[in-house]
Amino acid sequence: GENVEQHPSTLSVQEGDSAVIKCTYSDSASNYFPWYKQELGKRPQLIIDIRSNVGEKKDQRIAVTLNKTAKHFSLHITETQPEDSAVYFCAGPGRGGNKLTFGTGTQLKVEL
Amino acid sequence: DTAVSQTPKYLVTQMGNDKSIKCEQNLGHDTMYWYKQDSKKFLKIMFSYNNKELIINETVPNRFSPKSPDKAHLNLHINSLELGDSAVYFCASSQDFTGGPRGTQYFGPGTRLTVL
Repeated sequence: GENVEQHPSTLSVQEGDSAVIKCTYSDSASNYFPWYKQELGKRPQLIIDIRSNVGEKKDQRIAVTLNKTAKHFSLHITETQPEDSAVYFCAGPGRGGNKLTFGTGTQLKVEL
Repeated sequence: DTAVSQTPKYLVTQMGNDKSIKCEQNLGHDTMYWYKQDSKKFLKIMFSYNNKELIINETVPNRFSPKSPDKAHLNLHINSLELGDSAVYFCASSQDFTGGPRGTQYFGPGTRLTVL
């Protein structure tokens, strides 16, 4: 199978709380880890990415962290809002490390 | 000025029919992909072409046949449609085939295929 694992598969939070989604990978040669957001009925769209020369990157309420030693990276959403409800996909190195492979997705639901 | 476009957006057809989905990108990318997304939301890669050459051919029934007439177009033809083919099919493109930033994939709007 593919080499990017994503957890949890579903996540429900109250509006204003934080949400964290984690992915692990096995190919240590990779240096690029994007995250995609897919709203209901829409296409997956790139929202943030991180390269291996940094440990954290932030863009307003979303941040990504990367732990190359442990081979995992995470998406953090703070002060969640209803419009954050979507399926989120991480992407990382696939077999052979020469293409991006998507995780299995996390359905995030932000409840009022 | 849509970056990655697909036609049709919706496709409803009977079992046993043959249908095609078309994809075009105007980003000047070298690599294009077809994904199948089922009700569980998994993005399952089916095929990938780089400069019109097939580079990824996952375990997909041979009823599915991709064709890339040039590097801006990647079409998907499906023969003898089955109920299990019902899904959303996404086309995507990237600058190249690497796992780095140039491999960032940009998706089309999707084609919702319903087989009755």
